[in-house]
Amino acid sequence: DVKVTQSSRYLVKRTGEKVFLECVQDMDHENMFWYRQDPGLGLRLIYFSYDVKMKEKGDIPEGYSVSREKKERFSLILESASTNQTSMYLCASRLPDSGNTIYFGEGSWLTVV
Amino acid sequence: LAKTTQPISMDSYEGQEVNITCSHNNIATNDYITWYQQFPSQGPRFIIQGYKTKVTNEVASLFIPADRKSSTLSLPRVSLSDTAVYYCLVGDLTGGSYIPTFGRGTSLIVHP
Repeated sequence: DVKVTQSSRYLVKRTGEKVFLECVQDMDHENMFWYRQDPGLGLRLIYFSYDVKMKEKGDIPEGYSVSREKKERFSLILESASTNQTSMYLCASRLPDSGNTIYFGEGSWLTVV
Repeated sequence: LAKTTQPISMDSYEGQEVNITCSHNNIATNDYITWYQQFPSQGPRFIIQGYKTKVTNEVASLFIPADRKSSTLSLPRVSLSDTAVYYCLVGDLTGGSYIPTFGRGTSLIVHP
């Protein structure tokens, strides 16, 4: 079974802090994604990566950056956390040509105070 | 990218069949239709996928009419544990350029 692991389940950070959300997948998937989920808004795509060292902006990239130095790891970075970035963050991975089967992590609940 | 439209919410009772319809009027020839289920505080998980006609697995059935402009997820005899948000995705599966775009989903509440 594919496993997507998000390192932190719950975090509380202060405004202005730099925040790292780590995601690791164990199935050699090329594609990885970061979404945020807010009540009533569904999942919104922040950034995605087709392969190592590649990254593309999603629908709401402002205030975020990403890093993909190794194939299995995709990190989401909040350069200077703000209260409007309080949300649940979901990491996902997918093998190209495997269909629409996307595997998600359990989510990271971030509160910025 | 094909846009999808689903009802925001639905209510049902235990033991009933639930049908959730997704509209995707501008679906492309290479697009597949996939449904995901999300429980509170968890990531979404794959339920079922189809291209045309009908697909059935141990969890659900997916009905796709000939024009493919809509699809219906059917959950037989729902239980309380089927309370979740259901997402419909439409996209071209070929190659790595497909970007999974989720809408707001349908929140299904199953009552005792």
